[in-house]
Amino acid sequence: EAQVTQNPRYLITVTGKKLTVTCSQNMNHEYMSWYRQDPGLGLRQIYYSMNVEVTDKGDVPEGYKVSRKEKRNFPLILESPSPNQTSLYFCASSPTGSNYGYTFGSGTRLTVV
Amino acid sequence: LAKTTQPISMDSYEGQEVNITCSHNNIATNDYITWYQQFPSQGPRFIIQGYKTKVTNEVASLFIPADRKSSTLSLPRVSLSDTAVYYCLVGDNYGQNFVFGPGTRLSVLP
Repeated sequence: EAQVTQNPRYLITVTGKKLTVTCSQNMNHEYMSWYRQDPGLGLRQIYYSMNVEVTDKGDVPEGYKVSRKEKRNFPLILESPSPNQTSLYFCASSPTGSNYGYTFGSGTRLTVV
Repeated sequence: LAKTTQPISMDSYEGQEVNITCSHNNIATNDYITWYQQFPSQGPRFIIQGYKTKVTNEVASLFIPADRKSSTLSLPRVSLSDTAVYYCLVGDNYGQNFVFGPGTRLSVLP
C-alpha cells in the first residue's frame, strides 16, 4: 500500500532532550515536507526537500533540522525541544513537488514538558 | 504563491449539497487549484484538482469560472462523515512551498 509512515504517533518528552521523528514513504516520491499544525494557526511548513541531499526552509524552521540522505526517508530532528514545539506534526510527500498526489502521514503528536 | 480566502466555517444538513468557495484573485497562469480534506488528528487528503471550467470525480466537483479568480468545491448529498476541514490551495504543479490557509470547517448536522 502506498503510504507515508511517521513514527512515533505520540511522544512526550522533556525540554532539551534531543529527539527524532522519522518519516518514510514507499512511493519513490522526490518531494518530501514537514508541517506542524496548531489550533488557530493551521498547517505551517517547517522544511521541505526536493530530492536527496536537497533541503530548504519552510515558514517556521527555527528549532528544527532535517536530512535527506535517502529518497524514502526524511527525519525531523529537534536538537533541544522546547514547550513551544508542542504540536501535531505531519510529514508529506509528492512525486515532483506537485499539489497533485500530495500524500500525508498519520501525524505525530508531540508534547514537550 | 497566490493567497486564498475561504469562509472559516459552514454548517449543513445531511443529504444537502454543499458549496465552498475559495477566492484567489492573484492566481498565476501556471497555477492549479487543489482541494484537500482533513479529519481531526489525521493528515489532509487530496480531494480534487482543476485548472479551468469543471472537474468531477467520485467525491466532488470543482467549478472554476473563466477568470479563475475563484473556485467552488461542491460536495453532493453530504453525510455526517463529511464533517471536516477543507483547504483550497493554489500553485503550479512544481511548487515547493504549499501554503495551507485556515481552511473551511464544515459541520454536517443530522
